[in-house]
Amino acid sequence: GAVVSQHPSWVICKSGTSVKIECRSLDFQATTMFWYRQFPKQSLMLMATSNEGSKATYEQGVEKDKFLINHASLTLSTLTVTSAHPEDSSFYICSALQGDQGNQPQHFGDGTRLSIL
Amino acid sequence: EDKVVQSPLSLVVHEGDTVTLNCSYEVTNFRSLLWYKQEKKAPTFLFMLTSSGIEKKSGRLSSILDKKELSSILNITATQTGDSAIYLCAAYGAGSYQLTFGKGTKLSVIP
Repeated sequence: GAVVSQHPSWVICKSGTSVKIECRSLDFQATTMFWYRQFPKQSLMLMATSNEGSKATYEQGVEKDKFLINHASLTLSTLTVTSAHPEDSSFYICSALQGDQGNQPQHFGDGTRLSIL
Repeated sequence: EDKVVQSPLSLVVHEGDTVTLNCSYEVTNFRSLLWYKQEKKAPTFLFMLTSSGIEKKSGRLSSILDKKELSSILNITATQTGDSAIYLCAAYGAGSYQLTFGKGTKLSVIP
């Protein structure tokens, strides 16, 4: 149980395009999902917390107009990297919280490797 | 500011060895500590520890929390090459469902 699917797993695109990444909880409902970014040999950096039916909460230094988050249902959150540039190239990972806040682990998707040319 | 520190940052062992990975935390109103294993993709959940002194075990992996020392250890016995990964420690604080992650311990198991 507690499977999180993230799609696509790998994207290469030209500078200036927008890229949408989907995160789905397959066998549970997730009121809260999280988006992380991971640079090579670094730990996970939380970008934003996504709550179903409300606006996402962004961490300090993360541009909300650049990284659009939509959590329209209890099983789907999307992250759109708008007008992507080479510095946006990174590994993006989502997670979903199963159960009550903090009483259950976050379960992670397999990540999306984004490369902007 | 909440902080999670792992040590060592990297470790190389031979197959069959036993390893102990360390995690210490400074988290306001600490609630629980989690261990994850990250290979090439995203982290997979290993353990969640809430109570001090109670060991959690899964096969060759075990973990225990010491709330007095604000720390946890992850033990792996009879290591195999498939155990090679980055092991991440993370903590929940009360009133927050956000995880604070450590930088991870990179474990390399050589045949």
